[in-house]
Amino acid sequence: DADVTQTPRNRITKTGKRIMLECSQTKGHDRMYWYRQDPGLGLRLIYYSFDVKDINKGEISDGYSVSRQAQAKFSLSLESAIPNQTALYFCATSATGTGVYEQYFGPGTRLTVT
Amino acid sequence: AQTVTQSQPEMSVQEAETVTLSCTYDTSESDYYLFWYKQPPSRQMILVIRQEAYKQQNATENRFSVNFQKAAKSFSLKISDSQLGDAAMYFCAYRRGNFGNEKLTFGTGTRLTIIP
Repeated sequence: DADVTQTPRNRITKTGKRIMLECSQTKGHDRMYWYRQDPGLGLRLIYYSFDVKDINKGEISDGYSVSRQAQAKFSLSLESAIPNQTALYFCATSATGTGVYEQYFGPGTRLTVT
Repeated sequence: AQTVTQSQPEMSVQEAETVTLSCTYDTSESDYYLFWYKQPPSRQMILVIRQEAYKQQNATENRFSVNFQKAAKSFSLKISDSQLGDAAMYFCAYRRGNFGNEKLTFGTGTRLTIIP
């Protein structure tokens, strides 16, 4: 089984709809992240969380919110989806104490907003 | 602000040959980490190799190695004996070394094609 899972893998939604993307991990890591990937732009950080009680904004948090329901679960919400939020979304995890804090990614969710 | 530049949008190489992907970065920090990630058509982001800035020795992982030139702020990836499974997008990424700084800054990627 995959260490970091994301649901759904693909989603098409309409402008104005609320949508939630979910991430779960079995790696036992305390840190979790949400990124979005756009063609030609690489990946950009939306939000990150050091633990259940710690949520931090990344470089492009406007229009998004997150919830850390448990150490293993981190959800990303689009309260009112708009077409320019069409992108590939990745969840990632890392562990405190490893020094390098290298991040491990889920399989991604492709979101299309029409 | 830190920036990461990958100046080669696309590269191709014959199977079994060697290819080098370029990456440059801009930072005023002395403590940082550099990574290469591979993204095959499956979309999964896979860590290929990492380099700590304080280490002078270039990192190596099997057929993958880096040429880390700290003064020139260059971090290239060399793939030896290229295989069809190496076909993917490759992203260079940078992270500051300060505790608690979680932001990975990515380059725009290089699409690598393997020619049979």
